[in-house]
Amino acid sequence: KAGVTQTPRYLIKTRGQQVTLSCSPISGHRSVSWYQQTPGQGLQFLFEYFSETQRNKGNFPGRFSGRQFSNSRSEMNVSTLELGDSALYLCASKLTGSYGYTFGSGTRLTVV
Amino acid sequence: DAKTTQPNSMESNEEEPVHLPCNHSTISGTDYIHWYRQLPSQGPEYVIHGLTSNVNNRMASLAIAEDRKSSTLILHRATLRDAAVYYCILRDLDFGNEKLTFGTGTRLTIIP
Repeated sequence: KAGVTQTPRYLIKTRGQQVTLSCSPISGHRSVSWYQQTPGQGLQFLFEYFSETQRNKGNFPGRFSGRQFSNSRSEMNVSTLELGDSALYLCASKLTGSYGYTFGSGTRLTVV
Repeated sequence: DAKTTQPNSMESNEEEPVHLPCNHSTISGTDYIHWYRQLPSQGPEYVIHGLTSNVNNRMASLAIAEDRKSSTLILHRATLRDAAVYYCILRDLDFGNEKLTFGTGTRLTIIP
């Protein structure tokens, strides 16, 4: 079966711009989470969506936002990009009631 | 979330068993012990989880101390493909609080 699909795989943006990343979860998975991975901070939780509602949010500024659509696909948006936003952004989906998350391969964002 | 402590790095010879330790002295009674691994250039991958009893699956075994203050992930016969960063995570059984708090993990090197 298809895994978690994240697009695009790579992205280069200029400081001050905004960016939208996309995540298609495994079919039937209604929970979608986003994580940021950097060499300095490691893997950090951004937010989690379930049935189009944000249920949980990590400790990130308001420039980071997301949404989930009725088909469970999710997008995250970062506005007014800063150099420190350069990172690997990972999406994970989970079947309700199960324990394991399935992660995508991520979108590598470089801010210049 | 309760904190886990893992060695920064470990090495093992190919085709030998690997024991990856994790300390979690502040674990609560409702915390599940989860293990994920992250192969190079990929998102994390669920490995195994447990609560009190030892667990086995096709990927690995999880041995949990009787007092639950530590656990060990066992790879029975390491291959080069097992080279990855392994994360031990405590997660409360609260399906309304869907997030993983990653530590720094153990970087496992497999020696051919």
